[in-house]
Amino acid sequence: KNQVEQSPQSLIILEGKNCTLQCNYTVSPFSNLRWYKQDTGRGPVSLTIMTFSENTKSNGRYTATLDADTKQSSLHITASQLSDSASYICVVSGDSGAGSYQLTFGKGTKLSVIP
Amino acid sequence: DTEVTQTPKHLVMGMTNKKSLKCEQHMGHRAMYWYKQKAKKPPELMFVYSYEKLSINESVPSRFSPECPNSSLLNLHLHALQPEDSALYLCASSRTPPRGGGASEQFFGPGTRLTVL
Repeated sequence: KNQVEQSPQSLIILEGKNCTLQCNYTVSPFSNLRWYKQDTGRGPVSLTIMTFSENTKSNGRYTATLDADTKQSSLHITASQLSDSASYICVVSGDSGAGSYQLTFGKGTKLSVIP
Repeated sequence: DTEVTQTPKHLVMGMTNKKSLKCEQHMGHRAMYWYKQKAKKPPELMFVYSYEKLSINESVPSRFSPECPNSSLLNLHLHALQPEDSALYLCASSRTPPRGGGASEQFFGPGTRLTVL
């Protein structure tokens, strides 16, 4: 069964500190992995999307890594800001062939940045 | 225009009402999606439209009826809903339909917060 596990479930950090969120998946065959940021009551906003051949991708203070061998990804946030408080969702897309849809969502990590 | 818009932002309806949610994108995307998201849960896929045709229905009850009038618009018609249908309803679009490989990123709208009384 395809699964995406995220850790920790929730995290509280001080403003200005760095943090790393983890995502482990068992989706196979793998197509791509995405990280989304979702503010409470709003739609998810894409941060990064990585395919099999990509190990690292950055978007401002966000850096995502992917290890396709161990099926692990991380999202590193540098110099956190209060506006980074949100849920971060890892989503893995499977290459299941023409006409099939396979997108597995993690349950997200709720990040709280405090002054 | 690089965004997905949804209206209304909030909707309160009774169980006997008929209402519609609307979604619009002008990015030329050929796939559009409806998701349902309960509090503290990840989004759950409901429907996928590819080239204006319904390609996936994730066993959604018939009280939810999707409609894709053209490549830019996606509606979700609601009738005889139950209180447990209260949730955030998200629309998304992607450049290409979700088939095979490839990184066809999905862009989400801000959602409609639905409350069924």
